[in-house]
Amino acid sequence: ILNVEQSPQSLHVQEGDSTNFTCSFPSSNFYALHWYRWETAKSPEALFVMTLNGDEKKKGRISATLNTKEGYSYLYIKGSQPEDSATYLCASRFYFGTGTSLTVIP
Amino acid sequence: NAGVTQTPKFHILKTGQSMTLQCAQDMNHGYMSWYRQDPGMGLRLIYYSAAAGTTDKEVPNGYNVSRLNTEDFPLRLVSAAPSQTSVYLCASSLLAYNEQFFGPGTRLTVL
Repeated sequence: ILNVEQSPQSLHVQEGDSTNFTCSFPSSNFYALHWYRWETAKSPEALFVMTLNGDEKKKGRISATLNTKEGYSYLYIKGSQPEDSATYLCASRFYFGTGTSLTVIP
Repeated sequence: NAGVTQTPKFHILKTGQSMTLQCAQDMNHGYMSWYRQDPGMGLRLIYYSAAAGTTDKEVPNGYNVSRLNTEDFPLRLVSAAPSQTSVYLCASSLLAYNEQFFGPGTRLTVL
Protein backbone atom coordinates (compact mmCIF):
# COMPACT_ATOMS: atom_id res chain seq x y z
CA ILE A 1 0.00 0.00 0.00
CA LEU A 2 1.31 3.43 -0.97
CA ASN A 3 0.43 6.40 1.20
CA VAL A 4 -0.74 9.18 -1.11
CA GLU A 5 -1.90 12.39 0.53
CA GLN A 6 -3.62 15.45 -0.85
CA SER A 7 -4.27 18.90 0.50
CA PRO A 8 -6.38 20.81 0.99
CA GLN A 9 -9.40 18.55 1.36
CA SER A 10 -11.70 21.21 -0.09
CA LEU A 11 -11.41 24.63 -1.58
CA HIS A 12 -13.85 27.37 -2.52
CA VAL A 13 -12.58 30.07 -4.88
CA GLN A 14 -14.11 32.93 -6.80
CA GLU A 15 -14.39 32.74 -10.56
CA GLY A 16 -11.20 34.12 -12.06
CA ASP A 17 -8.99 33.21 -9.10
CA SER A 18 -5.98 30.98 -9.60
CA THR A 19 -5.48 28.08 -7.23
CA ASN A 20 -3.26 25.10 -6.57
CA PHE A 21 -3.38 21.77 -4.76
CA THR A 22 -0.72 19.46 -3.41
CA CYS A 23 -0.18 15.73 -3.72
CA SER A 24 2.52 13.92 -1.76
CA PHE A 25 3.60 10.35 -2.37
CA PRO A 26 6.43 7.97 -1.42
CA SER A 27 9.50 8.90 -3.46
CA SER A 28 11.03 5.42 -3.35
CA ASN A 29 10.22 2.99 -6.19
CA PHE A 30 8.44 5.73 -8.10
CA TYR A 31 6.82 4.81 -11.42
CA ALA A 32 4.32 7.49 -12.31
CA LEU A 33 2.01 10.06 -10.78
CA HIS A 34 -1.48 10.54 -12.14
CA TRP A 35 -3.91 13.41 -11.80
CA TYR A 36 -7.62 12.83 -12.42
CA ARG A 37 -10.63 15.09 -12.48
CA TRP A 38 -13.85 13.67 -11.08
CA GLU A 39 -17.01 15.61 -11.79
CA THR A 40 -20.25 14.86 -9.99
CA ALA A 41 -22.26 12.04 -11.58
CA LYS A 42 -19.38 11.16 -13.90
CA SER A 43 -16.38 8.83 -13.78
CA PRO A 44 -12.85 10.03 -13.00
CA GLU A 45 -10.99 11.17 -16.11
CA ALA A 46 -7.24 11.38 -16.47
CA LEU A 47 -5.69 14.83 -16.65
CA PHE A 48 -1.98 14.08 -16.56
CA VAL A 49 0.44 11.20 -16.32
CA MET A 50 3.80 12.34 -15.01
CA THR A 51 6.91 10.22 -14.88
CA LEU A 52 10.07 12.33 -14.84
CA ASN A 53 11.44 14.49 -12.06
CA GLY A 54 10.90 18.10 -13.02
CA ASP A 55 8.08 17.21 -15.42
CA GLU A 56 5.65 19.98 -16.21
CA LYS A 57 2.41 19.23 -18.04
CA LYS A 58 -0.21 21.66 -19.25
CA LYS A 59 -3.74 21.34 -20.60
CA GLY A 60 -5.43 24.66 -21.20
CA ARG A 61 -5.58 26.53 -17.91
CA ILE A 62 -4.52 23.52 -15.86
CA SER A 63 -0.91 22.56 -15.30
CA ALA A 64 1.02 20.23 -13.04
CA THR A 65 4.57 19.83 -11.81
CA LEU A 66 6.39 16.83 -10.38
CA ASN A 67 9.22 16.42 -7.88
CA THR A 68 10.04 12.75 -7.53
CA LYS A 69 13.03 13.27 -5.23
CA GLU A 70 10.96 14.88 -2.50
CA GLY A 71 7.72 13.12 -3.42
CA TYR A 72 5.26 15.85 -4.30
CA SER A 73 3.27 17.21 -7.21
CA TYR A 74 1.34 20.44 -7.61
CA LEU A 75 -1.75 21.01 -9.73
CA TYR A 76 -2.41 24.59 -10.77
CA ILE A 77 -5.59 26.09 -12.21
CA LYS A 78 -5.28 29.55 -13.68
CA GLY A 79 -8.34 31.78 -13.85
CA SER A 80 -10.77 29.24 -12.33
CA GLN A 81 -14.14 28.84 -14.03
CA PRO A 82 -17.34 27.28 -12.64
CA GLU A 83 -16.84 24.29 -14.95
CA ASP A 84 -13.58 23.54 -13.12
CA SER A 85 -15.64 22.56 -10.05
CA ALA A 86 -14.81 18.92 -9.41
CA THR A 87 -12.80 16.66 -7.17
CA TYR A 88 -9.16 16.38 -8.23
CA LEU A 89 -7.47 13.11 -7.42
CA CYS A 90 -3.85 12.13 -7.58
CA ALA A 91 -2.66 8.54 -7.67
CA SER A 92 0.55 6.57 -7.56
CA ARG A 93 -0.12 3.31 -9.40
CA PHE A 94 -3.36 2.00 -7.91
CA TYR A 95 -3.28 4.10 -4.74
CA PHE A 96 -5.26 7.31 -4.63
CA GLY A 97 -5.27 10.28 -2.35
CA THR A 98 -8.56 11.38 -0.82
CA GLY A 99 -8.86 14.21 -3.33
CA THR A 100 -9.32 17.96 -3.28
CA SER A 101 -12.88 19.14 -3.83
CA LEU A 102 -12.87 22.42 -5.73
CA THR A 103 -15.90 24.69 -5.91
CA VAL A 104 -15.65 27.75 -8.14
CA ILE A 105 -18.17 30.41 -7.17
CA PRO A 106 -19.52 32.48 -10.09
CA ASN B 1 -15.49 1.38 -28.31
CA ALA B 2 -17.67 1.16 -25.23
CA GLY B 3 -14.66 1.58 -22.94
CA VAL B 4 -15.31 0.25 -19.44
CA THR B 5 -18.84 -0.86 -18.66
CA GLN B 6 -20.33 -1.85 -15.32
CA THR B 7 -23.60 -3.46 -14.35
CA PRO B 8 -25.81 -2.97 -12.48
CA LYS B 9 -25.87 0.78 -11.86
CA PHE B 10 -27.72 0.43 -8.58
CA HIS B 11 -28.53 -2.49 -6.32
CA ILE B 12 -29.90 -3.13 -2.86
CA LEU B 13 -28.93 -6.27 -0.99
CA LYS B 14 -29.86 -7.69 2.35
CA THR B 15 -27.16 -8.68 4.83
CA GLY B 16 -25.90 -12.15 4.05
CA GLN B 17 -26.96 -12.16 0.41
CA SER B 18 -24.42 -12.52 -2.35
CA MET B 19 -24.11 -10.84 -5.71
CA THR B 20 -21.68 -10.24 -8.52
CA LEU B 21 -20.77 -6.83 -9.87
CA GLN B 22 -19.89 -7.02 -13.53
CA CYS B 23 -17.12 -5.09 -15.25
CA ALA B 24 -15.97 -5.36 -18.85
CA GLN B 25 -13.58 -3.45 -21.09
CA ASP B 26 -13.03 -3.60 -24.84
CA MET B 27 -9.66 -1.85 -25.04
CA ASN B 28 -7.52 -4.99 -24.66
CA HIS B 29 -6.06 -3.62 -21.47
CA GLY B 30 -3.97 -5.92 -19.33
CA TYR B 31 -4.68 -4.32 -15.96
CA MET B 32 -8.09 -4.14 -14.40
CA SER B 33 -8.91 -2.96 -10.91
CA TRP B 34 -11.78 -2.54 -8.48
CA TYR B 35 -12.17 0.41 -6.11
CA ARG B 36 -14.74 1.48 -3.61
CA GLN B 37 -15.57 5.09 -2.96
CA ASP B 38 -16.91 6.17 0.40
CA PRO B 39 -17.54 9.75 1.56
CA GLY B 40 -14.32 11.44 2.65
CA MET B 41 -12.25 8.37 1.81
CA GLY B 42 -11.33 8.87 -1.83
CA LEU B 43 -10.89 5.75 -3.94
CA ARG B 44 -9.74 2.68 -2.06
CA LEU B 45 -8.25 -0.20 -3.99
CA ILE B 46 -9.96 -3.53 -3.46
CA TYR B 47 -8.02 -5.60 -5.94
CA TYR B 48 -6.20 -5.41 -9.23
CA SER B 49 -5.39 -7.97 -11.87
CA ALA B 50 -2.37 -7.70 -14.17
CA ALA B 51 -3.65 -10.10 -16.80
CA ALA B 52 -6.17 -12.83 -17.43
CA GLY B 53 -5.57 -15.79 -15.18
CA THR B 54 -3.38 -13.89 -12.70
CA THR B 55 -4.00 -12.98 -9.11
CA ASP B 56 -1.59 -10.44 -7.70
CA LYS B 57 -2.36 -10.27 -4.03
CA GLU B 58 -4.75 -11.59 -1.45
CA VAL B 59 -8.35 -10.65 -1.96
CA PRO B 60 -9.82 -8.70 0.96
CA ASN B 61 -12.29 -10.54 3.17
CA GLY B 62 -15.83 -10.53 1.88
CA TYR B 63 -14.90 -10.33 -1.79
CA ASN B 64 -14.02 -12.77 -4.55
CA VAL B 65 -12.55 -11.82 -7.90
CA SER B 66 -11.83 -13.73 -11.07
CA ARG B 67 -10.12 -12.86 -14.33
CA LEU B 68 -10.87 -15.66 -16.74
CA ASN B 69 -10.29 -13.52 -19.81
CA THR B 70 -8.89 -10.11 -20.73
CA GLU B 71 -12.24 -8.37 -21.05
CA ASP B 72 -14.18 -9.31 -17.91
CA PHE B 73 -13.38 -8.71 -14.26
CA PRO B 74 -16.33 -9.57 -12.00
CA LEU B 75 -16.33 -8.77 -8.30
CA ARG B 76 -18.37 -11.03 -6.07
CA LEU B 77 -19.65 -10.13 -2.65
CA VAL B 78 -19.78 -13.46 -0.88
CA SER B 79 -22.03 -12.63 2.08
CA ALA B 80 -22.85 -8.96 2.00
CA ALA B 81 -22.45 -6.81 5.09
CA PRO B 82 -23.62 -3.22 5.70
CA SER B 83 -19.95 -2.16 5.74
CA GLN B 84 -19.84 -3.01 2.05
CA THR B 85 -22.35 -0.30 1.21
CA SER B 86 -20.43 1.87 -1.22
CA VAL B 87 -19.97 3.00 -4.79
CA TYR B 88 -17.85 0.45 -6.63
CA LEU B 89 -15.73 1.60 -9.55
CA CYS B 90 -13.96 -0.62 -12.04
CA ALA B 91 -11.02 0.62 -14.10
CA SER B 92 -8.61 -0.64 -16.70
CA SER B 93 -5.21 0.40 -17.99
CA LEU B 94 -2.80 -0.91 -20.57
CA LEU B 95 0.07 -1.15 -18.10
CA ALA B 96 0.38 -0.50 -14.37
CA TYR B 97 1.70 3.05 -14.80
CA ASN B 98 -0.63 4.14 -17.62
CA GLU B 99 -3.74 6.20 -17.05
CA GLN B 100 -6.77 4.26 -15.90
CA PHE B 101 -10.13 4.38 -17.62
CA PHE B 102 -13.07 4.11 -15.27
CA GLY B 103 -16.51 2.65 -15.60
CA PRO B 104 -19.64 4.51 -14.50
CA GLY B 105 -19.79 2.71 -11.14
CA THR B 106 -22.26 0.58 -9.22
CA ARG B 107 -23.99 2.08 -6.20
CA LEU B 108 -24.56 -0.76 -3.76
CA THR B 109 -26.58 -0.60 -0.57
CA VAL B 110 -26.54 -3.44 1.95
CA LEU B 111 -29.37 -3.34 4.45
